[in-house]
Amino acid sequence: GENVEQHPSTLSVQEGDSAVIKCTYSDSASNYFPWYKQELGKGPQLIIDIRSNVGEKKDQRIAVTLNKTAKHFSLHITETQPEDSAVYFCAAHTDKLIFGTGTRLQVFP
Amino acid sequence: DAGVTQSPTHLIKTRGQQVTLRCSPISGHKSVSWYQQVLGQGPQFIFQYYEKEERGRGNFPDRFSARQFPNYSSELNVNALLLGDSALYLCASTPNVAAMDQPQHFGDGTRLSIL
Repeated sequence: GENVEQHPSTLSVQEGDSAVIKCTYSDSASNYFPWYKQELGKGPQLIIDIRSNVGEKKDQRIAVTLNKTAKHFSLHITETQPEDSAVYFCAAHTDKLIFGTGTRLQVFP
Repeated sequence: DAGVTQSPTHLIKTRGQQVTLRCSPISGHKSVSWYQQVLGQGPQFIFQYYEKEERGRGNFPDRFSARQFPNYSSELNVNALLLGDSALYLCASTPNVAAMDQPQHFGDGTRLSIL
């Protein structure tokens, strides 16, 4: 079945640095790739998504890239701030959403 | 506008009991999906309902069931609870589409603990 691998599991950066989280999916039929941010005690919140007919998408400090050939997609956060600290999940969709195992991002002031 | 609301927020049950979790989608959203999130893992898909019909089912035993009401709210029912059912149960809604390749709006979940 569909599988999504996510790396790293934890990531610590200094405020102002960039953070990159990478995911790999197994089903080449996957067509939709959202990224979610989950803060403690809250449900996941969609921060950006990309479809299989697009290679890159940017929204202010957040960008996502997709390499369909390699079945990789990545989240890039620039100019990180302490409020970016949270757990981030990637997901891939075929007939349902399959989530990665999450990356705990810590941004130190 | 109110987001996805779930009740209760926390619940403690013992093994063998039954539990019902409730979800109200965003106003106007007709599709509701349920997910189980075990501590330290990503959400895992359980069910999707659209227009009161089951449209998708994940790899969960028959002890798990759900339904959607005419007002598009939904209930998730779990029978014969096991220790491994301890998790955060999340509900998500999407607008007027059955497909899940649309932004899903999550509630804050019900934390279920089995003793």
